[in-house]
Amino acid sequence: DQQVKQNSPSLSVQEGRISILNCDYTNSMFDYFLWYKKYPAEGPTFLISISSIKDKNEDGRFTVFLNKSAKHLSLHIVPSQPGDSAVYFCAANGGSNYKLTFGKGTLLTVNP
Amino acid sequence: NAGVTQTPKFQVLKTGQSMTLQCAQDMNHEYMSWYRQDPGMGLRLIHYSVGAGITDQGEVPNGYNVSRSTTEDFPLRLLSAAPSQTSVYFCASSYSGTKQAFFGQGTRLTVV
Repeated sequence: DQQVKQNSPSLSVQEGRISILNCDYTNSMFDYFLWYKKYPAEGPTFLISISSIKDKNEDGRFTVFLNKSAKHLSLHIVPSQPGDSAVYFCAANGGSNYKLTFGKGTLLTVNP
Repeated sequence: NAGVTQTPKFQVLKTGQSMTLQCAQDMNHEYMSWYRQDPGMGLRLIHYSVGAGITDQGEVPNGYNVSRSTTEDFPLRLLSAAPSQTSVYFCASSYSGTKQAFFGQGTRLTVV
């Protein structure tokens, strides 16, 4: 039973355009969501997060939107750069523990 | 500041052999965890620890043991390696007040 779903295994966009990565979750107990970026042969690195009390969080070129009623979140990257090419993981957490549940990831390719 | 350090980076084992994957963090984080990443599966939680002397199972704990004798170290033991344990293993740590996990560089393990 996959509780965090990233239904697009890959996404290709042109440099300078917007990249939109999507994530759906099924567990209503999740109240904190994170996006991680992963380059090959490296560990995941934290990108941006959002609490369920918000519907938007912005950090530079990266914005995360949360739609609690739809159990859906998205990561927007504007403008996209070739260095953004990586696998992006959506992760969720609920309650007082620190366990993260990850999606399967989306490979983003930004073409020059 | 080294962050989370994993050793070794690569390892090949024969079926039935045992080994320990090392993980150390120098950030004085209370929470540490082990994940495995398999193609098309995202990151799955193996074991985690909320502090020295306290460990618990994650989503895929079978075949793995852990212990946490100090805040800094959280080794993962494979008692009898199986080909199904071929994977990339990531150790992570986080501290109270944030759900953000800091990951190590990973250990690529192949069991033949």
